[in-house]
Amino acid sequence: DAGVIQSPRHEVTEMGQEVTLRCKPISGHDYLFWYRQTMMRGLELLIYFNNNVPIDDSGMPEDRFSAKMPNASFSTLKIQPSEPRDSAVYFCASTAPDRGLGTGELFFGEGSRLTVL
Amino acid sequence: RKEVEQDPGPFNVPEGATVAFNCTYSNSASQSFFWYRQDCRKEPKLLMSVYSSGNEDGRFTAQLNRASQYISLLIRDSKLSDSATYLCVVNIRTGGGNKLTFGTGTQLKVEL
Repeated sequence: DAGVIQSPRHEVTEMGQEVTLRCKPISGHDYLFWYRQTMMRGLELLIYFNNNVPIDDSGMPEDRFSAKMPNASFSTLKIQPSEPRDSAVYFCASTAPDRGLGTGELFFGEGSRLTVL
Repeated sequence: RKEVEQDPGPFNVPEGATVAFNCTYSNSASQSFFWYRQDCRKEPKLLMSVYSSGNEDGRFTAQLNRASQYISLLIRDSKLSDSATYLCVVNIRTGGGNKLTFGTGTQLKVEL
């Protein structure tokens, strides 16, 4: 079975440009999470969705960040305009309805490594 | 204070050694606890859950002390392949639902 698929794997862009990161969760999973990982702050939860509805976006750093989940098989995380401090690895993860957060088992994609110059 | 705190390491140990990692959490309403493993430049993967009574999975033992808000992971007879970063994870109930919060990780290097 295909795992969580993220694109692009790597992106280098200049400050001020728009960045769009994409995620396809595992089929049948109804929770989708966006995390950001840096050396200094570790893995930070940005936002998560349940059945395509945003449940908690308190981790979204500021208005430059937005996330959408138009259907059960696709989500985007957009940064506009991007800044050098946004440089990080962005992970998407999903989990299944029969597992839920209580089991702690999130399935992560391979991540999108973003560098903003 | 961070919600989940870990010693970043690195822990450099010889093959065959026993090594222990600790983790503390600040929210007493935390409900469930886990250890994840992350290899260099890879995604995190669930290693094991942590149960109140303690639990083992082969060479790995996890323990929870709710009174002290403390979680541990013990690795016996460490292998070269155990070299990775170990992330402590806590499930916290918030107003918006449940939230899995990750520590920044403890790096382990197992050497010949």
